[in-house]
Amino acid sequence: QSALTQPASLSGSPGQSITISCTGTSSDVGGYNYVSWYQLHPDKAPKLMIFEVSNRPSGVSNRFSGSKSGNTASLTISGLQAEDEADYYCSSYTTSTTLNVFGTGTKVTVL
Amino acid sequence: EVQLLESGGGLVQPGGSLRLSCAASGFRFSSYAMSWVRQAPGKGLEGVSAISGGGYDSTYYADSVKGRFTISRDNSKNTLYLQMNSLRAEDTAVYYCAKDGLGGAQYDVWGQGTMVTVSS
Repeated sequence: QSALTQPASLSGSPGQSITISCTGTSSDVGGYNYVSWYQLHPDKAPKLMIFEVSNRPSGVSNRFSGSKSGNTASLTISGLQAEDEADYYCSSYTTSTTLNVFGTGTKVTVL
Repeated sequence: EVQLLESGGGLVQPGGSLRLSCAASGFRFSSYAMSWVRQAPGKGLEGVSAISGGGYDSTYYADSVKGRFTISRDNSKNTLYLQMNSLRAEDTAVYYCAKDGLGGAQYDVWGQGTMVTVSS
């Protein structure tokens, strides 16, 4: 099972919006509404930001939103803030393996 | 507060063994599937193993660890384990314990991770 494809890095200025893409296949992203997104800060526990494509867990800022079109899911961060600088990973249920598949990861830099 | 706390990581020689533990608190541990996810230095996240909840205890493994790693749980101690045998250099990573969300398609709570280094 190959990892889902994400851009290696993205950057934006405070207040801007950025969108991270996550491309898979019909066996994972495209076939099921089970895409989730995680935020990783160094030396901190990873944090669930979006689940089931577009749902936000309690406590996650509404500046984070998720969507999906075909085999590509997206995470949009609106009103970029310094604290959003982190690595972001998508994940999806897949029929190819018994475990969820992760994306390649995107490093977000706030300029 | 829902919390997961991993322990047991360290330096081990190739071919050696290590057992990771994950102490859970703040939720009904026995009801939820649990997983181990790792991140090798400079690499992305990789699902390692999962175990179902609700008393079924079905287990799942990545091909890269099948036959070498064993996941288990002790619901009386609210603890998840990962027994790692025949360790290889490529198993070097931070190992995270994660609680599966309802439906099992996402990990809604993570621990801070424990580092495993396989080196001679």
